[in-house]
Amino acid sequence: AQRVTQPEKLLSVFKGAPVELKCNYSYSGSPELFWYVQYSRQRLQLLLRHISRESIKGFTADLNKGETSFHLKKPFAQEEDSAMYYCALRVGGTYKYIFGTGTRLKVLA
Amino acid sequence: DAGVIQSPRHEVTEMGQEVTLRCKPISGHNSLFWYRQTMMRGLELLIYFNNNVPIDDSGMPEDRFSAKMPNASFSTLKIQPSEPRDSAVYFCASTRTGSSEQYFGPGTRLTVT
Repeated sequence: AQRVTQPEKLLSVFKGAPVELKCNYSYSGSPELFWYVQYSRQRLQLLLRHISRESIKGFTADLNKGETSFHLKKPFAQEEDSAMYYCALRVGGTYKYIFGTGTRLKVLA
Repeated sequence: DAGVIQSPRHEVTEMGQEVTLRCKPISGHNSLFWYRQTMMRGLELLIYFNNNVPIDDSGMPEDRFSAKMPNASFSTLKIQPSEPRDSAVYFCASTRTGSSEQYFGPGTRLTVT
């Protein structure tokens, strides 16, 4: 079955602390994975995709096929990182995306 | 560019009433998606269209839900009759061929009492 699991509904960290938002997937093919973010009163938007191997706003995510994970990490959290984060899997050969249930990140001053 | 446009932004209706949500994708985008967001289930894909044709509607909860895309610039999601458990935020998103990035609308917050 195709599935994306985000085990934490809420993650609270202090400003300056490291952040790791967990994402695990179940998919039989070669996965294409993404992180989307929704800041307060803003639209859901793409944060990064694993293919690009990029760092956006200090966030990185590495695909670990052995552990079927795509965790989102940032070494030093900022208050402006507070948002809802969704991990998503694109089903190969289609435009269908499967999203996780989301993790709300709160960065405390 | 205004991005993906959704209307209404908020809808409050009584159980049993028909609800119609509207979406205008970004010009030039040929895939359109309808999602439902709830606290318990997160973001669920309901249906998506490619070149105005429904490709996958496996996420549509039941026959009370229907979606149409009569042309490249307009889509509707209809719930008839509505029930309290349909209360959620409904998002529309679009993308163009060859791109993996989806562009989301602001959402419609539906409350069924």
